[in-house]
Amino acid sequence: GQSLEQPSEVTAVEGAIVQINCTYQTSGFYGLSWYQQHDGGAPTFLSYNALDGLEETGRFSSFLSRSDSYGYLLLQELQMKDSASYFCAVRDRGGATNKLIFGTGTLLAVQP
Amino acid sequence: DVKVTQSSRYLVKRTGEKVFLECVQDMDHENMFWYRQDPGLGLRLIYFSYDVKMKEKGDIPEGYSVSREKKERFSLILESASTNQTSMYLCASSSLGGAGTEAFFGQGTRLTVV
Repeated sequence: GQSLEQPSEVTAVEGAIVQINCTYQTSGFYGLSWYQQHDGGAPTFLSYNALDGLEETGRFSSFLSRSDSYGYLLLQELQMKDSASYFCAVRDRGGATNKLIFGTGTLLAVQP
Repeated sequence: DVKVTQSSRYLVKRTGEKVFLECVQDMDHENMFWYRQDPGLGLRLIYFSYDVKMKEKGDIPEGYSVSREKKERFSLILESASTNQTSMYLCASSSLGGAGTEAFFGQGTRLTVV
């Protein structure tokens, strides 16, 4: 089977840096994605790591360590609008298809 | 603008009813997914489909079935609704690209079974 574990909640203040961790166990690993979901909204794609290391996209960066089965999302210069839930996700091969599995999600609360 | 549309935002059904949740995508995507979202449990995969008439079970298929008669439409069916199926249901689609292929989500259907 597969599982992705995340902290349930993280709180930080505006302007700060926050890291959201994800540890995973999958039968076949093809990289780690991150999605953001605002309250009442649909999840939207943020980033993807296929290889070890850091990928940067503006204020957001994502890191992967395949040997540790671990990744994280780093949010810098936090803004109030970053308050949302964040999910890590993996593509796990199910038969001939690409099954998309999500983590338990982390609720980020940004305070003034 | 890419779009995944779910037929209802809110739905209230009675225990034992047969419930249909509809999802339509306009991106010609091969993959379509149904998830349920519950607090603290994240998004759990119910079923997915990689082609017309093709389907595979996800992690929690019990009590659900699906139908994909056309590429753009993927329906989730609750054969006999129960109160423990009260949840937010999310539909998603993606192309058949690599592992980093972005999935696009609908706005969700909040189903309450009474």
